[in-house]
Amino acid sequence: KAGVTQTPRYLIKTRGQQVTLSCSPISGHRSVSWYQQTPGQGLQFLFEYFSETQRNKGNFPGRFSGRQFSNSRSEMNVSTLELGDSALYLCASSSDGAGNTIYFGEGSWLTVV
Amino acid sequence: GENVEQHPSTLSVQEGDSAVIKCTYSDSASNYFPWYKQELGKRPQLIIDIRSNVGEKKDQRIAVTLNKTAKHFSLHITETQPEDSAVYFCAEGYNQGGKLIFGQGTELSVKP
Repeated sequence: KAGVTQTPRYLIKTRGQQVTLSCSPISGHRSVSWYQQTPGQGLQFLFEYFSETQRNKGNFPGRFSGRQFSNSRSEMNVSTLELGDSALYLCASSSDGAGNTIYFGEGSWLTVV
Repeated sequence: GENVEQHPSTLSVQEGDSAVIKCTYSDSASNYFPWYKQELGKRPQLIIDIRSNVGEKKDQRIAVTLNKTAKHFSLHITETQPEDSAVYFCAEGYNQGGKLIFGQGTELSVKP
């Protein structure tokens, strides 16, 4: 079974631009979550999607948004990039059944210059 | 509110010694407590988890204990090896869904 796949793995953007990151969950998993990891703030929950609906949301500004498609694939978008948005963005998927386990992708490394 | 405190932030042990990392959570509704190991430049990988109806769980050299009354849970690694060196994260979550609140992480160094 393939794991959680994220693209692109590395990208550099300029302040003020926007970026879209993509995530394909493990086959059969319907829940997709996104996390931001930085040295200063650690691992922080951004949002979770289930059946194309946002089910949970963390404490991030509206510049951070996401969506989920009918095949459970998900994208997250960050608009008007700031230097502080430089981070590793991790996608995670789970089956959402009783006793679900959450698996992470390799992440997308975003550098804002 | 949702908050997880993790201690210590760094831990250095000799190969063969035991290592213990402790976490405290605040959300009484949490019922799922995973531990992840993250090596430099890699993704977090689940090493063990425990649910609120269990007090202790063991998998070879790794064990986790949970005290729901005190809202504490701990990771125990016995007979540590250099390849155990990594950053370990605890988290609180729920039986359904992908929302996890993580602790700040513990950098474990196992010296040969």
